[in-house]
Amino acid sequence: DTAVSQTPKYLVTQMGNDKSIKCEQNLGHDTMYWYKQDSKKFLKIMFSYNNKELIINETVPNRFSPKSPDKAHLNLHINSLELGDSAVYFCASSQVNSGNTIYFGEGSWLTVV
Amino acid sequence: QKEVEQDPGPLSVPEGAIVSLNCTYSNSAFQYFMWYRQYSRKGPELLMYTYSSGNKEDGRFTAQVDKSSKYISLFIRDSQPSDSATYLCAMSADNYGQNFVFGPGTRLSVLP
Repeated sequence: DTAVSQTPKYLVTQMGNDKSIKCEQNLGHDTMYWYKQDSKKFLKIMFSYNNKELIINETVPNRFSPKSPDKAHLNLHINSLELGDSAVYFCASSQVNSGNTIYFGEGSWLTVV
Repeated sequence: QKEVEQDPGPLSVPEGAIVSLNCTYSNSAFQYFMWYRQYSRKGPELLMYTYSSGNKEDGRFTAQVDKSSKYISLFIRDSQPSDSATYLCAMSADNYGQNFVFGPGTRLSVLP
């Protein structure tokens, strides 16, 4: 069973489009995240979501918005896509006060053309 | 100075070699330290998790933390071609995942 699953794995889209990436975790964790990994492999946190509390990395443009319908899902919506948004986006989850180790999904490769 | 530094490699070693991977950091408040392994086109997977200073061993993997030097290491004994991956260190001052800081990763190739 996949612990953290995200779709789609690959996404090629044109500038200006709006797209979404979906994420689901079956670990029963209470916190979910979106990370961005750029071409130099740096993993940067974009958002974390815990019990309806959203913590945002201030450097993330407001074109990016997370939406969490429930504790097991955290989707990422991106409006007006730009070339610089091309990257790998990882969903992740953890459980506070249980080591808080972070478990990652397989990643979504976004290419904006 | 970046908060977490890691030699990006690539590092190539023959099968069976002992591999040493390292990270340095600048924030003396860090006390939670992790190593992740990332295969190509996959997500990072947790290898080792340590709290504060000291050593932790798990099979062929040993993690060391030296807080006085702000230096952490991951040793891989009897390296295998299947260990070929990018290894990322991560650390945090508290137990809140949103505050974890990742290094850029070291790309390792173990040659048969």
